[in-house]
Amino acid sequence: QSVLTQPPSVSGAPGQRVTISCTGSSSNIGAGYDVHWYQQLPGTAPKLLIYGNNNRPSGVPDRFSASKSGTSASLAITGLQAEDEADYYCQSYDNSLSGPFVFGTGTKVTVL
Amino acid sequence: QVQLQESGPGLVKPSETLSLTCTVSSGSISSYYWSWIRQPPGKGLEWIGYVHSSGSTTYNPSLKSRVTMSVDTSKNQFSLRLSSVTAADTAVYYCARTRSLYFYYFDYWGQGTLVTVSS
Repeated sequence: QSVLTQPPSVSGAPGQRVTISCTGSSSNIGAGYDVHWYQQLPGTAPKLLIYGNNNRPSGVPDRFSASKSGTSASLAITGLQAEDEADYYCQSYDNSLSGPFVFGTGTKVTVL
Repeated sequence: QVQLQESGPGLVKPSETLSLTCTVSSGSISSYYWSWIRQPPGKGLEWIGYVHSSGSTTYNPSLKSRVTMSVDTSKNQFSLRLSSVTAADTAVYYCARTRSLYFYYFDYWGQGTLVTVSS
């Protein structure tokens, strides 16, 4: 069972800005551990999108950004494009018996 | 860039042992952590465990009693064994390189292999 909670779905029109929340607790995000984000296009393996709270690997557009505050984190996609339609997962470290590595429940982004 | 490829049986009988191997190419397996992550059909991601190139391991507490991971640096491969499988273990299994910076993240993933547990 996931210990990081995300909304099941978000949607937006092309060009719009959407955000995805990732809510944790004092044993993971709230303990100061970094949050990472992955994009999973339909039928493919997850791909690293953001690491260390707000660092983009080479090749990831700067339309993707992320932040962290307290026990939550969020991913923002600005200038939404059709190719951004995918599942998105947050991931962090957890110092409880659920850990050490935990994923979010996942969010489906739909481009209208 | 680093490439990972999972291999192993796609069908395993209940109560038997699931065995998978991940082959790393275009990069060395040395000095890194290597994880197995699974995703049941239509569901989210679950980290199973990791093995370091030195052979040290850490497993998900919920699976620890059934999981064994090992590494063969001479072949640039690492492996997963999951015993006493049930239908609940049916999933796509991914191998992934695990970076220890920023409290660990997964930067390269294999394409995944579907393992079905059924008689």
